[in-house]
Amino acid sequence: EAQVTQNPRYLITVTGKKLTVTCSQNMNHEYMSWYRQDPGLGLRQIYYSMNVEVTDKGDVPEGYKVSRKEKRNFPLILESPSPNQTSLYFCASSLLGAPNEKLFFGSGTQLSVL
Amino acid sequence: AQSVTQLDSQVPVFEEAPVELRCNYSSSVSVYLFWYVQYPNQGLQLLLKYLSGSTLVKGINGFEAEFNKSQTSFHLRKPSVHISDTAEYFCAVSERNSWGKLQFGAGTQVVVTP
Repeated sequence: EAQVTQNPRYLITVTGKKLTVTCSQNMNHEYMSWYRQDPGLGLRQIYYSMNVEVTDKGDVPEGYKVSRKEKRNFPLILESPSPNQTSLYFCASSLLGAPNEKLFFGSGTQLSVL
Repeated sequence: AQSVTQLDSQVPVFEEAPVELRCNYSSSVSVYLFWYVQYPNQGLQLLLKYLSGSTLVKGINGFEAEFNKSQTSFHLRKPSVHISDTAEYFCAVSERNSWGKLQFGAGTQVVVTP
C-alpha cells in the first residue's frame, strides 16, 4: 500500500531535549516536505527536499533541521525543542517536477514540549 | 513570495444546501492552486488542482473551483453538501517557478447539520 509513515504519532517531551520525528515513504517520490499545523494558522512549511541531499527552507525553518540521505526517509530534527514548537506536524511526499501529482500526507505527529 | 487568504474561518451549512468557500491569493508570478480537505484526525487529501487551461476545475466528491485571474481568487463550491463533508478545507498556492514551496491558507471549517 502506498503510504507516508510518520513516527511517533504522539510525543511529549521537555524543553531542550533533542528529538527526531521520522518520515518514510514507499512510493519512490523525489519530493518530500514537512509542515506544522497550528489553529488559525493552517499549515506552514518548515523544510522541503527535491531529492537526495537537496533540501531547502520553507516559511518557518527556525529551530528545525532536516536531512535527506536516502530517497525514502526525511527525518525532522529538533535540536533544542521549545514550547512554541508544540504543534501537529505533517510529512508529505510527491513525484518531482510534477505539480499535477498530488501530495501524499502522513497521519501526523502531535508534539507537546513542556 | 506568494500568500493565500481564506476569507471564512468557519462556514455552517445545512445538509443538501450549496456551499462556497472563498480563497484569494497574491503572487507576482503565475501560480498553481489547490484545495485540500482534512477530515478529523487525518492528514490532508487533495480535492482538486488548477495548473493551466480551463478555469473551471472539477474535483472529487462533487466539488469544483473556479480560477479567476483578474480577482486572484480560487473559490471552492459544492451544489449540495452531505453530513460527510464536515471537515476543514485548505486552499494552497505555489509559484510556477518554485513549485516545491507550497503555501496553505489558514483553513475553513465546514460544519454540515441536518
